Amino acid sequence: AQSVTQLDSHVSVSEGTPVLLRCNYSSSYSPSLFWYVQHPNKGLQLLLKYTSAATLVKGINGFEAEFKKSETSFHLTKPSAHMSDAAEYFCVVSDKGGYNKLIFGAGTRLAVHP
Amino acid sequence: NAGVTQTPKFRVLKTGQSMTLLCAQDMNHEYMYWYRQDPGMGLRLIHYSVGEGTTAKGEVPDGYNVSRLKKQNFLLGLESAAPSQTSVYFCATLPGGSRYGYTFGSGTRLTVV
Repeated sequence: AQSVTQLDSHVSVSEGTPVLLRCNYSSSYSPSLFWYVQHPNKGLQLLLKYTSAATLVKGINGFEAEFKKSETSFHLTKPSAHMSDAAEYFCVVSDKGGYNKLIFGAGTRLAVHP
Repeated sequence: NAGVTQTPKFRVLKTGQSMTLLCAQDMNHEYMYWYRQDPGMGLRLIHYSVGEGTTAKGEVPDGYNVSRLKKQNFLLGLESAAPSQTSVYFCATLPGGSRYGYTFGSGTRLTVV
């Protein structure tokens, strides 16, 4: 069965410093992986997706993630945090054996301080 | 082209009342999903549908019913609302055969008092 673990429930960084949000997955198949962002009282926005075309995936707003099969990880990074990056981030895996249901991690809340 | 539209956007119910949430899509997607979002738990799948006339249970189906009589609409019903159903509900769609093309609605915030 597919599952996702986000290793940190809260991450706090200073503006201009790097961001690292950690995600490990479990999948019986070659996984489809996603990162979504949710700003307060807003809907879900797709940051990036892993489609097996490349292990380093670039997304919107300067975010990127690296798929590491040996470590079953899909960590999200950004070189320099902006205040507008403060939000909740979800790592998600698609259950290909079960009609592509999306399985969400519990989320990581990112705080960015001046 | 509206994509995925959820109605209503907000609702307050009293315990024991019933209501229906509507997810409407204009993209001809085969698959549709209902999720609920609770703090610290991410989004959890309630029910889903892989085509008109089909429905199936997800991770947390108790207390909910669904119907998909028309391909473009996926209805989520609460027959007797409970405070534990206070949540934000999201609908998502996916084209048949796709692995990546998910579209989410903007959500329905439901409070049961």
